[in-house]
Amino acid sequence: ETGVTQTPRHLVMGMTNKKSLKCEQHLGHNAMYWYKQSAKKPLELMFVYNFKEQTENNSVPSRFSPECPNSSHLFLHLHTLQPEDSALYLCASSQDTKRAGYTGELFFGEGSRLTVL
Amino acid sequence: QKEVEQNSGPLSVPEGAIASLNCTYSDRGSQSFFWYRQYSGKSPELIMFIYSNGDKEDGRFTAQLNKASQYVSLLIRDSQPSDSATYLCAVNRGYNTDKLIFGTGTRLQVFP
Repeated sequence: ETGVTQTPRHLVMGMTNKKSLKCEQHLGHNAMYWYKQSAKKPLELMFVYNFKEQTENNSVPSRFSPECPNSSHLFLHLHTLQPEDSALYLCASSQDTKRAGYTGELFFGEGSRLTVL
Repeated sequence: QKEVEQNSGPLSVPEGAIASLNCTYSDRGSQSFFWYRQYSGKSPELIMFIYSNGDKEDGRFTAQLNKASQYVSLLIRDSQPSDSATYLCAVNRGYNTDKLIFGTGTRLQVFP
C-alpha cells in the first residue's frame, strides 16, 4: 500500500446527494489533514486532526463534515453541496506536530476530484 | 494582501539554466518555510524546508530565506525538462503548528 490512499479518485454528485471521501495512511503518522485545491487558488486548509482530535476547522461550511475514527483513517462527509464546491480534495498526513524533530512535511494522497452538478 | 504570494508564471527556462522561483509572505511571525512540487494531475511532494535565514542546499536545489524582507526563494540549477511542474511555497506560523499556508504556485516550464 502506498503512503496515503484516497477513495474515490473521482466523484460526481448532485446537490442533494450525500457522499463520503475516505483517506487512509500507512505511514504511522498521527496528524491528518483535508485540503481543498481549486483552479487558480492556493491549497486551502479545511480540517486538521492530531491524535484523532480536531485541532483546526478553517471556517468550513457545515455541509462538509469530517470524521477521524483513528490516526490512520480520515473521512469527509459531503451533504447538500454547491457547484462551487467542485474541486480536488487532498488528504495529507504528518508526524505529530508537537514531536521533537517535526519538519512540517506533509504527505499527500492523490486526491479525490469532486464535481457537483 | 495574500498571506503567501507567488507569481503564477509560467516561468520558462532552457534546459541547463538556473530557474529562480520567488515567494513573499505577510506574517512576520512565520517560522518555517517549505517548497512543494506538484506535477500536473499529481499531489504535492516536499522538496525542501528552511527555518533559518540564509541558504540551504540539497543537490540541484537551493532554498533562500530572508525573514527581514519576508522573502523565500527556490533556485534550481541545471534545470531539466523533468523539473517542469508547479512549485508551491508554503509557510508555517510556528515551529510546531499544523497550519500550513500555501501560495497559488508558480508553473515552471523547462524546454529542451
